[in-house]
Order: sequence, then C-alpha cells, then structure tokens
Amino acid sequence: QKEVEQDPGPLSVPEGAIVSLNCTYSNSAFQYFMWYRQYSRKGPELLMYTYSSGNKEDGRFTAQVDKSSKYISLFIRDSQPSDSATYLCAMYLSGGYNKLIFGAGTRLAVHP
Amino acid sequence: DTAVSQTPKYLVTQMGNDKSIKCEQNLGHDTMYWYKQDSKKFLKIMFSYNNKELIINETVPNRFSPKSPDKAHLNLHINSLELGDSAVYFCASSQVPSSGRGRTDTQYFGPGTRLTVL
Repeated sequence: QKEVEQDPGPLSVPEGAIVSLNCTYSNSAFQYFMWYRQYSRKGPELLMYTYSSGNKEDGRFTAQVDKSSKYISLFIRDSQPSDSATYLCAMYLSGGYNKLIFGAGTRLAVHP
Repeated sequence: DTAVSQTPKYLVTQMGNDKSIKCEQNLGHDTMYWYKQDSKKFLKIMFSYNNKELIINETVPNRFSPKSPDKAHLNLHINSLELGDSAVYFCASSQVPSSGRGRTDTQYFGPGTRLTVL
C-alpha cells in the first residue's frame, strides 16, 4: 500500500463546475499537506500549503484536511479551462530532514 | 530570469551510456533536490543536498550520483543507463530543508528533463 493514495483520473468537467480532488494517507504522523499543480510538460508548482485539520481558502481554491480520517481535499470553484492540469497532493512529517511524499496526481480537464 | 533551470530539456540515449543532467537555481536557496517522475506521473525523491551536503539519499541504484559543486548547482550523473531509467527528472530547491516549518521550505521545481533510453 502506498503511503499516499490519489485517484489518477482523468477527471473531465465543464467550465464553471466545482471540482473536488482527494487524497488519503496511511501515516498518521503526517502533519503538513500541500497541493501542487503541474501543467503538461512543466514542473509542479505549489498551490496550497496547510497544517492541521480544517479549511484554508485562496481565491477559487479551498484546501481541506481531516486528520481523523486521514483525508485531504482540494476544491476548485468556478473551474476554468486554464485549470486543466495534473494536481498532486503532497505531505510530510515534521522535524529533521524529511521527504516530501507525493500522491500519483489527478489529471483534470475543464472543457469550455 | 528562470528560478530553477535544467539542461538538457530532452535527452535521448542508448542503453549503457553515461549521461549528466545539470540544474541551477538563482533563488539563493540552500537546499536542492532531484526527483524522478515515471510514466504514471508518480513523483519520487531521489536525493537532497543542503549547503552542498547530502541529507537525503533514497534507495536508488548507485549508478546515479549527484554532485553539488556549490549551493546554486546540483547535477545528476547516471552511469550505464538502463531502459527503466526512462522518466522525467525534476530538480527542485527550497530556502531550508523540507521539515514542515512553513512556507520557507516550499519547493520550487525546474521544468524537468525528459530522459529516453533506447
């Protein structure tokens, strides 16, 4: 079992839809959670960074962490064709030199 | 004014050859990383250097050898290339080593080097 599970999709939605992307993880010691966006043939770029359970909002994006369920989500409101990309969740432990553990990524296509 | 740059962008080579990928960052960061992304988009760390010191060394074949001549550069040399080495290799950097202390350890990724071994 991978430490971080993420449905690879692809997920296809119409423009304006609300998108929900999710990851589950097995190590309850993970404390820091991130969402990266990766456009085709580009490197990943950080979208959201959260610590502890709860919600964090940034424009059209909301990151949600539920540590009791070991489940994190990224919601995209009013999705745009420019949101079409692969979204990777990532997380790590705290303290020392730690590895950033990535999910497999979910490919999202928003069509006009 | 690219933050993290890699050369070459594409690399096609024969099995058994030795090749190098170069990475440079102009962000003034102390920590640099090499990641491998396979065909299923799974991104996995290989190495990390902090101030030219190796701090993360994952279980990768010893045919892979990173070298950090200074804080701004981290190169990856691969000996005796195999078919399974075909992947996209990403370099990344962060201000401090990844430890979950906050935005200062945000990793910034380069554009990737697409390696194809024939």
